[in-house]
Amino acid sequence: DQQVKQNSPSLSVQEGRISILNCDYTNSMFDYFLWYKKYPAEGPTFLISISSIKDKNEDGRFTVFLNKSAKHLSLHIVPSQPGDSAVYFCAASANSGGSNYKLTFGKGTLLTVNP
Amino acid sequence: DTAVSQTPKYLVTQMGNDKSIKCEQNLGHDTMYWYKQDSKKFLKIMFSYNNKELIINETVPNRFSPKSPDKAHLNLHINSLELGDSAVYFCASSQDTWGDEQYFGPGTRLTVT
Repeated sequence: DQQVKQNSPSLSVQEGRISILNCDYTNSMFDYFLWYKKYPAEGPTFLISISSIKDKNEDGRFTVFLNKSAKHLSLHIVPSQPGDSAVYFCAASANSGGSNYKLTFGKGTLLTVNP
Repeated sequence: DTAVSQTPKYLVTQMGNDKSIKCEQNLGHDTMYWYKQDSKKFLKIMFSYNNKELIINETVPNRFSPKSPDKAHLNLHINSLELGDSAVYFCASSQDTWGDEQYFGPGTRLTVT
């Protein structure tokens, strides 16, 4: 039962253009969303997050958009750079405010930025 | 200065053996996690410890036993290894049990033959 879905296993874009990575979720209890970036042979690293009380969060070249009614979020990278080539994981949590916090991850999308 | 470290990075072993993976974090975080990334690439949480206390156990077989000697360390011991245990295991830590991004180690690739 995939509660977090990244339906595009891969995406290829030209350097300087926009990269848009998509993520859908099914659990309406999710209220906090994160994007992680992973290079080969390394662990995932945190990129950006958004709370369900917002619909947009921006950090430099990275912007995450949240559409709660559609249960959809997206990560925009602009302009894309070759160093952005990595696997991007979408993750979500239902913040119970207690000890049961956990992240549910999607399968990831491999982004390739071509020079 | 590595924030979350794991040893070993690679582990190849035969079915039926017992093995351990060690994890240490120097971030001063209170919570540590073990994740498994299987062949389908899903990252799934296995365990979570907060201040040495188990708080999440995601129906992992009893052959997997986490041990937290102090809040900076969370080791994973696996008994009677099976072929299906082959995966990449990631350790992670976060400041609190909720609302914080988690910092991941580099992963341990376990291959059971």
